[in-house]
Amino acid sequence: DAGVTQSPTHLIKTRGQQVTLRCSPKSGHDTVSWYQQALGQGPQFIFQYYEEEERQRGNFPDRFSGHQFPNYSSELNVNALLLGDSALYLCASTSTATTNEKLFFGSGTQLSVL
Amino acid sequence: AQSVSQHNHHVILSEAASLELGCNYSYGGTVNLFWYVQYPGQHLQLLLKYFSGDPLVKGIKGFEAEFIKSKFSFNLRKPSVQWSDTAEYFCAVNAPYGNNRLAFGKGNQVVVIP
Repeated sequence: DAGVTQSPTHLIKTRGQQVTLRCSPKSGHDTVSWYQQALGQGPQFIFQYYEEEERQRGNFPDRFSGHQFPNYSSELNVNALLLGDSALYLCASTSTATTNEKLFFGSGTQLSVL
Repeated sequence: AQSVSQHNHHVILSEAASLELGCNYSYGGTVNLFWYVQYPGQHLQLLLKYFSGDPLVKGIKGFEAEFIKSKFSFNLRKPSVQWSDTAEYFCAVNAPYGNNRLAFGKGNQVVVIP
C-alpha cells in the first residue's frame, strides 16, 4: 500500500520563476494538506484541499496556489519565486471518514531558489 | 495565533540515558496534541497523540507524553534511549482550526551516541 508520494524530490529554480509540486495521497485518503518547512523550523501550514476545493489556508501570499484533482491528488504552485521560498515542501493526507485525525506525510520536495 | 514552543533545539545523549523534550502551546481552549518524529532520510511519522481521557499517553517505540492542562504542556519522555532514536522530534497542536490543520514547534534535534 503506497503511502503519500511527492514529486519531484529535489528542484532548483531561479528567482521570478514558477514551480509546480505534485502529491499523491495515501490510498483511501481524500484530504490533502501542504506544509512548508524552512531550514531549522517546523512545518508551517500552507493550505488544505478537500473535494477539489481549498478548505483552509494559512498565512501565505496569493503566490501560493493549489489544486486537487478528482483522483484526490494535488498540486502546489508557487509563482514569482523568492529566495525565501527555499524550503522543504511537505504534503500530508488524511481521510474524512476517520476521526483520529492522523496525518500521513510524504518525504517532501526540496526546493532551492537561486 | 496558535504557537507551539519547543526548547533545547539540539539534544545530545548517550545510549540508555533518559530523554525528556518539552512542549508548550498557547491556545486556551480544547486542544489535540501530537508528537511527530522524523528519522534521518525519512518522512514525518506520528509517535503519539492526545485527544482526551488519560493525560498520560503511550506511543510507539517506548515513548510516552503527559498532557498537563494547567501548564499548557505536552512533554515527551523515554526512560532509556537507543542509538536508533536519533531523529528530529516535533510537537504539534490541532487548534483552534481543527480539520487536521496542525501548528508545529521548531523541533528538537536529538542525537544519541552509542
